[in-house]
Amino acid sequence: QSALTQPASVSGSPGQSITISCTGTSSDVGSYNLVSWYQQHPGKAPKLMIYEVSKRPSGVSNRFSGSKSGNTASLTISGLQAEDEADYYCCSYAGRVFGGGTKLTVL
Amino acid sequence: QLQLQESGPGLVKPSETLSLTCTVSGGSISSSSYYWGWIRQPPGKGLEWIGSIYYSGSTYYNPSLKSRVTISVDTSKNQFSLKLSSVTAADTAVYYCARLVVPATHDYWGQGTLVTVSS
Repeated sequence: QSALTQPASVSGSPGQSITISCTGTSSDVGSYNLVSWYQQHPGKAPKLMIYEVSKRPSGVSNRFSGSKSGNTASLTISGLQAEDEADYYCCSYAGRVFGGGTKLTVL
Repeated sequence: QLQLQESGPGLVKPSETLSLTCTVSGGSISSSSYYWGWIRQPPGKGLEWIGSIYYSGSTYYNPSLKSRVTISVDTSKNQFSLKLSSVTAADTAVYYCARLVVPATHDYWGQGTLVTVSS
């Protein structure tokens, strides 16, 4: 199973919205609604932000949302804040395959 | 509040076996709703799933590591463990343990432990 494909970096200004894509295949992302997204700040453990494509765990801001179309899942962050600057990883295939990660820079 | 804590040597010699333990507190490792897994992250790189185990002992391993990985569980101690044999410098990474909510969500993570492979 190959790693999922994410852009290496995205950036946006405070208040703007950004979207991070996660492309897999019909065997992983496209098969089930089981994509999750993780936020990781430097030196910290990953934090679950979205699960099962579009569900938010308790305590996660509603500025974070997820969606999926075909073999590509997306994470959208609206109203960007400085604290959103971090690395973001998608995950699929029953939690066994991660994306390469996307570094979000808040300008 | 569920907590996971990794423990084990921070330095392992090449060709030897890396051994880590994850202690779960604030919840039972024997719940039927969860798997328990290991994930690693080489310095400056992305996350890589190593494998997962059910409280019954059923395991799933990353095919690329399968020949060198053993994950076991000790329900009496509420712990699960990772052994990775024949390590090389490429196995240097921060190793995380995590809870996997069936079927597919890692919701709780340990803080991670850096393991360096060096002579």
